[in-house]
Amino acid sequence: GENVEQHPSTLSVQEGDSAVIKCTYSDSASNYFPWYKQELGKGPQLIIDIRSNVGEKKDQRIAVTLNMTAKHFSLHITETQPEDSAVYFCAAWTSYDKVIFGPGTSLSVIP
Amino acid sequence: DAGVIQSPRHEVTEMGQEVTLRCKPISGHNSLFWYRQTMMRGLELLIYFNNNVPIDDSGMPEDRFSAKMPNASFSTLKIQPSEPRDSAVYFCASSEGTTNTEAFFGQGTRLTVV
Repeated sequence: GENVEQHPSTLSVQEGDSAVIKCTYSDSASNYFPWYKQELGKGPQLIIDIRSNVGEKKDQRIAVTLNMTAKHFSLHITETQPEDSAVYFCAAWTSYDKVIFGPGTSLSVIP
Repeated sequence: DAGVIQSPRHEVTEMGQEVTLRCKPISGHNSLFWYRQTMMRGLELLIYFNNNVPIDDSGMPEDRFSAKMPNASFSTLKIQPSEPRDSAVYFCASSEGTTNTEAFFGQGTRLTVV
């Protein structure tokens, strides 16, 4: 079945440093890849997404890259701040019209 | 719009009891998803509806779980009978379309079965 893998499971960085989270997906027909941030006690919230016709997308301090040949996509957060601490999920829409989430990355930004 | 609304926010019940979780999707959205989140298994898709019709329920763990969407503004997830291993946070999400559109999540229902 469809699968999304995500690494690392935990990530700790110093404030101001960059954080990178990497994901792979299995359904070659997937063409939409959202990233969600989940803060404690809340539901996941979309922070950025990328579609198959785009290789890279940036929004202020966050950027995503997509390599459909390798079935890889990544989230990059630059100049990290303590409020970036949360669990981040990558996801992929499958050819069966449903969103499959990766297992999540717990990011801690140390002041 | 107030976003996706779930109720209750917290539910504590005894093993064997029936539990009903409720969701009101964002008005105008025609896809609705139920997810379960645990530390061990992460976010699992249980079932999703399109235009009130169940499309894929392959993620529903057992016959004890059932979901309905009687109209475009309401859905329920029922567990009968509940077991301690059902303890988790259950999220409902909705989106405008079936493909490649943002899914908006509710705040979740934290279920504890003792």
